[in-house]
Amino acid sequence: DGGITQSPKYLFRKEGQNVTLSCEQNLNHDAMYWYRQDPGQGLRLIYYSQIVNDFQKGDIAEGYSVSREKKESFPLTVTSAQKNPTAFYLCASSIGGRGETQYFGPGTRLLVL
Amino acid sequence: AQSVTQLDSHVSVSEGTPVLLRCNYSSSYSPSLFWYVQHPNKGLQLLLKYTSAATLVKGINGFEAEFKKSETSFHLTKPSAHMSDAAEYFCVVSGFQKLVFGTGTRLLVSP
Repeated sequence: DGGITQSPKYLFRKEGQNVTLSCEQNLNHDAMYWYRQDPGQGLRLIYYSQIVNDFQKGDIAEGYSVSREKKESFPLTVTSAQKNPTAFYLCASSIGGRGETQYFGPGTRLLVL
Repeated sequence: AQSVTQLDSHVSVSEGTPVLLRCNYSSSYSPSLFWYVQHPNKGLQLLLKYTSAATLVKGINGFEAEFKKSETSFHLTKPSAHMSDAAEYFCVVSGFQKLVFGTGTRLLVSP
């Protein structure tokens, strides 16, 4: 079955800690995306990558970092600089990066202890 | 720049009655438009996509949307609501290298 997997489903962060959210896809898509979802605000783009070893900041990149060393993987690190990390994080992928249909993973909910 | 406005944050219907979720868009060129659905604590699922082939687009689960350029609208409809349709719905417009999401409409379905 082709698709996008995210892990873990729930993640807890302590003050001053960096945490990494995993996103893997086996759809052979070139482009991958990370979104943050807060109640009543829709989805906001954090980072996106159109090709391996390249990525661009989205609308709310501060306090986050990413890497794209492999086509199928696009991990997101929430750093201690992100002062309000509690949210639902969604990863997506698309065949190309020019506004095409995006396919979403099941999400990771990040909570602060 | 591209943008979308979902005109209702919440819509309540009774099971078996029609559903209408409203969306207006703004785009400097001929856009692609999407509707996605999200059930609680789940990822987003594509309902349908408009890409200029036909103005009436049929999607999954009996949903359809009509592209009206003169009104810059892309409203989502379904003739008869089912309890399983209760979810959040997002209208989305394609931008350069990314999608632009509306703030969502929560659909409530009562028995």
